[in-house]
Amino acid sequence: NAGVTQTPKFQVLKTGQSMTLQCAQDMNHEYMSWYRQDPGMGLRLIHYSVGAGITDQGEVPNGYNVSRSTTEDFPLRLLSAAPSQTSVYFCASSPAGIGYTFGSGTRLTVV
Amino acid sequence: AQSVTQLDSHVSVSEGTPVLLRCNYSSSYSPSLFWYVQHPNKGLQLLLKYTSAATLVKGINGFEAEFKKSETSFHLTKPSAHMSDAAEYFCATVRSQGNLIFGKGTKLSVKP
Repeated sequence: NAGVTQTPKFQVLKTGQSMTLQCAQDMNHEYMSWYRQDPGMGLRLIHYSVGAGITDQGEVPNGYNVSRSTTEDFPLRLLSAAPSQTSVYFCASSPAGIGYTFGSGTRLTVV
Repeated sequence: AQSVTQLDSHVSVSEGTPVLLRCNYSSSYSPSLFWYVQHPNKGLQLLLKYTSAATLVKGINGFEAEFKKSETSFHLTKPSAHMSDAAEYFCATVRSQGNLIFGKGTKLSVKP
């Protein structure tokens, strides 16, 4: 039982590059979310999903895309990386919007 | 709209003394409230949650929190701090859409 798995753990990108942060959960949770964590800002919601085929924007969606083709996977795509996207990214899942389980995070640096 | 405010960005205590981390909430209905802990370079771990049952909630590692509707508060306490409690703590509530909204965090330092 792996819980929520995020890959990669660390990534360095050049400005303008694109990449996908992977998130997978094996708990059959319907709700999944992506957050970014910046010093002094807490965690801010980027995008979320309440089930396969359903996604919506959070507080800070600009520059990111998501899709949810299966219950298990919720990838986050950076379309054209910018230094302002340097952050730690967390994926989380929940069976019904209560009691989220978090992944261990992806530390992204954009140079 | 639902929100949470953590009143202290940094709290410092001595080992063996009580811990108090403060969180106020804003909600138009009875909220679900959570405390998470994050140790350095780690993910978030759920400490405890309030979902409209008992107002005093016990969590892991000796932490507990009391839901006070009259004060719109959900403060986290522990009778005696350990060095291993040094971490960042986040208060959170659930939006109507079913996802979490977090406070900005309180960094707890524990002095020997």
